[in-house]
Amino acid sequence: KQEVTQIPAALSVPEGENLVLNCSFTDSAIYNLQWFRQDPGKGLTSLLLIQSSQREQTSGRLNASLDKSSGRSTLYIAASQPGDSATYLCAGHMEYGNKLVFGAGTILRVKS
Amino acid sequence: NAGVTQTPKFQVLKTGQSMTLQCAQDMNHEYMSWYRQDPGMGLRLIHYSVGAGITDQGEVPNGYNVSRSTTEDFPLRLLSAAPSQTSVYFCASSYSTSGTQYFGPGTRLTVL
Repeated sequence: KQEVTQIPAALSVPEGENLVLNCSFTDSAIYNLQWFRQDPGKGLTSLLLIQSSQREQTSGRLNASLDKSSGRSTLYIAASQPGDSATYLCAGHMEYGNKLVFGAGTILRVKS
Repeated sequence: NAGVTQTPKFQVLKTGQSMTLQCAQDMNHEYMSWYRQDPGMGLRLIHYSVGAGITDQGEVPNGYNVSRSTTEDFPLRLLSAAPSQTSVYFCASSYSTSGTQYFGPGTRLTVL
């Protein structure tokens, strides 16, 4: 069974703190990993895509890593801001079909 | 580019009614998908398409039909709405199976 797990389920941090969100997966058929942000009542915004041949990707204050051998990905957010408050979802791209397998998400609250 | 657009944003149906959720993209993407998002269940794949004229079932296809007559459009049809289909529906597209997937803003559907 394809499973993607995200830890923690919720996180509350003061503004300015660096933080790490974790994503683990059990299916070896997952080859790429994509991180999304979802604001309440809104759609999903793609943050970073890490392809299987890469180990990490960076965009501004965000850095995502992928270790397929251990089935883990992390999203690092530097110098967090209240505007970073949202739900963060990781999703594995499956090798067959056009399918993403999603984790349940981490709800992040950055306090000012 | 408008990206991925979905209509309507909100819809209320009575049990047994049928309707079509519209999805369009202007990025010339071959790959399109429909997901539903439910509390505690995360996002699950309903149907997907790898090009015009080609569709396949995802994880939860029962009660839904799709067709893909053009590259741009991928409508989702509810044949006879049931309360279990109350959900938020997202359409996504990508250039390839390994590329970044872009999501629409969603349609919030309530079936009474």
